[in-house]
Amino acid sequence: KAGVTQTPRYLIKTRGQQVTLSCSPISGHRSVSWYQQTPGQGLQFLFEYFSETQRNKGNFPGRFSGRQFSNSRSEMNVSTLELGDSALYLCASSVTREAQETQYFGPGTRLLVL
Amino acid sequence: GNSVTQMEGPVTLSEEAFLTINCTYTATGYPSLFWYVQYPGEGLQLLLKATKADDKGSNKGFEATYRKETTSFHLEKGSVQVSDSAVYFCALSDPSYNTDKLIFGTGTRLQVFP
Repeated sequence: KAGVTQTPRYLIKTRGQQVTLSCSPISGHRSVSWYQQTPGQGLQFLFEYFSETQRNKGNFPGRFSGRQFSNSRSEMNVSTLELGDSALYLCASSVTREAQETQYFGPGTRLLVL
Repeated sequence: GNSVTQMEGPVTLSEEAFLTINCTYTATGYPSLFWYVQYPGEGLQLLLKATKADDKGSNKGFEATYRKETTSFHLEKGSVQVSDSAVYFCALSDPSYNTDKLIFGTGTRLQVFP
């Protein structure tokens, strides 16, 4: 079974631009979560989607948004990029028959904002 | 709130040494506990998990026991290899209703020398 895939793997943007990252979950998984990883803040939860609905959101500004499609694929968008948005963005999927399911992570998208 | 505390790294060991990485947690409910590993330039890989008190998770020679009385989930391995060099993250699933959200510790870097 293929794992979680994320595209693109690397991205360079400039301040003020916007970016869209994509995540395809493991086949059969219905829940997708996004995390930001930085050296200073570590791993922080961004949001979680299940059946096209956002069911949980972390403490990030409104510039960060996401969505999930009917095939469970998810995208996250960051508008008006800031230097501090440079990070590794990780997507994770789970089956979600019930809460506290195991999450499986993709390789991440490394975003550099100049 | 819910949180995870890991020992500071780096942990530096010689090959075949015994490994312990400490992890303690704070949670209001009954979380599931996880250890994830991150190799350089990659995403997170699930190493092991435990879902209730006294459960022992194990994989690839690594073990951790869910200790509710001490709110701990320490990672151990009897004989480390150079290939075990990576960053290890302890995490708990938020015991809030209906979410797979993970709360991570800060990570512990392990360096194993031949």
